[in-house]
Amino acid sequence: DAGVTQSPTHLIKTRGQHVTLRCSPISGHKSVSWYQQVLGQGPQFIFQYYEKEERGRGNFPDRFSARQFPNYSSELNVNALLLGDSALYLCASSLGQGDGNQPQHFGDGTRLSIL
Amino acid sequence: AQSVSQHNHHVILSEAASLELGCNYSYGGTVNLFWYVQYPGQHLQLLLKYFSGDPLVKGIKGFEAEFIKSKFSFNLRKPSVQWSDTAEYFCAVNGGTGRRALTFGSGTRLQVQP
Repeated sequence: DAGVTQSPTHLIKTRGQHVTLRCSPISGHKSVSWYQQVLGQGPQFIFQYYEKEERGRGNFPDRFSARQFPNYSSELNVNALLLGDSALYLCASSLGQGDGNQPQHFGDGTRLSIL
Repeated sequence: AQSVSQHNHHVILSEAASLELGCNYSYGGTVNLFWYVQYPGQHLQLLLKYFSGDPLVKGIKGFEAEFIKSKFSFNLRKPSVQWSDTAEYFCAVNGGTGRRALTFGSGTRLQVQP
């Protein structure tokens, strides 16, 4: 079975631009989460979605938004990019209702570089 | 708020040495605990998880971890490491039902020398 797939793999943007990152969960998984991993740190939670509804939001500014589609894929949007947004963006999916005890399965991530 | 501390940022071991990586968390309620591993060039993979029951959990590739509630700890162990265990290891926690987001530690980079 295919794992979590993310696109694009790498992306270079300039300050002030907008970016959209995409994620397809493992087949049958209905919950998708987004994390930001800055170099040298652990991933930080941004959003979680289940059945197209936001179920959790981390401590990120309103420039970050996300949505989940009927096929359970998801997009993460970041507006007005800043240098500090340079990071690896990870998507994770989990089975069932996205309850706390379901392990999350991660994709390879999108490496975003802001110039 | 939850937080996770991993005490060792970089560990260098020789093959066959024993491994213990520390992880402490701060959260007063019921928690689910995880160790993830990231091999060079690969995505995060689940090593093992603790939800309830036996506090000694076994994972893949000979790894195990012990949940000590009184110490808020979930240390990862392996009796004899191999060169192929070279990777970054992350401890993570979520606060049980209703708290679905994972809080990660900053990671420990393990380097195993042949």
